[in-house]
Amino acid sequence: SAVISQKPSRDICQRGTSLTIQCQVDSQVTMMFWYRQQPGQSLTLIATANQGSEATYESGFVIDKFPISRPNLTFSTLTVSNMSPEDSSIYLCSVWTGSYGYTFGSGTRLTVV
Amino acid sequence: GQQLNQSPQSMFIQEGEDVSMNCTSSSIFNTWLWYKQDPGEGPVLLIALYKAGELTSNGRLTAQFGITRKDSFLNISASIPSDVGIYFCAGQHGSGNTGKLIFGQGTTLQVKP
Repeated sequence: SAVISQKPSRDICQRGTSLTIQCQVDSQVTMMFWYRQQPGQSLTLIATANQGSEATYESGFVIDKFPISRPNLTFSTLTVSNMSPEDSSIYLCSVWTGSYGYTFGSGTRLTVV
Repeated sequence: GQQLNQSPQSMFIQEGEDVSMNCTSSSIFNTWLWYKQDPGEGPVLLIALYKAGELTSNGRLTAQFGITRKDSFLNISASIPSDVGIYFCAGQHGSGNTGKLIFGQGTTLQVKP
């Protein structure tokens, strides 16, 4: 299955600032997915990122708050903008790897103070 | 958004005991997936189910895709301390990379040596 590297693994940020999370995959993939996992909660899909086109956002998530870039088939970034304490979560990227299903990165644990 | 009903929410068992957890949905899924998440890590795929009625094993783990396509269960036999973690079911309406994953709320498993 694909190997996904996420950076940073964790960060503590001041409210009102922005954080960009990077996701690097060791193979080319068509779609990359960004999830949010709030403390003690399940995973919720934020958006799907295709190379060469705008990301598709799920209900409740908007591009101004979570801009996404997908410059090539192995890399994507998610920015959490104008952060508030409610944005404190684990953010995970995921890719479809065929027979191995969806593979997830280790996540970025974000704390907003 | 749509969620799967996963139960139990948590379990505290003795090493060597068998464990069972399940997920139900009001809608039909084409794929059921079971993931395990360790602290500080992303979810790791345990078992993928693609056909109604399918029963699949992975070592001490066994999962089944319900006949109605609205439910699935995961059994762990002879639990060991490293089984500790959070187990998530996930359903997919499409197949492959064509449909987003809907996650259950998770089952937290603790194993007493």
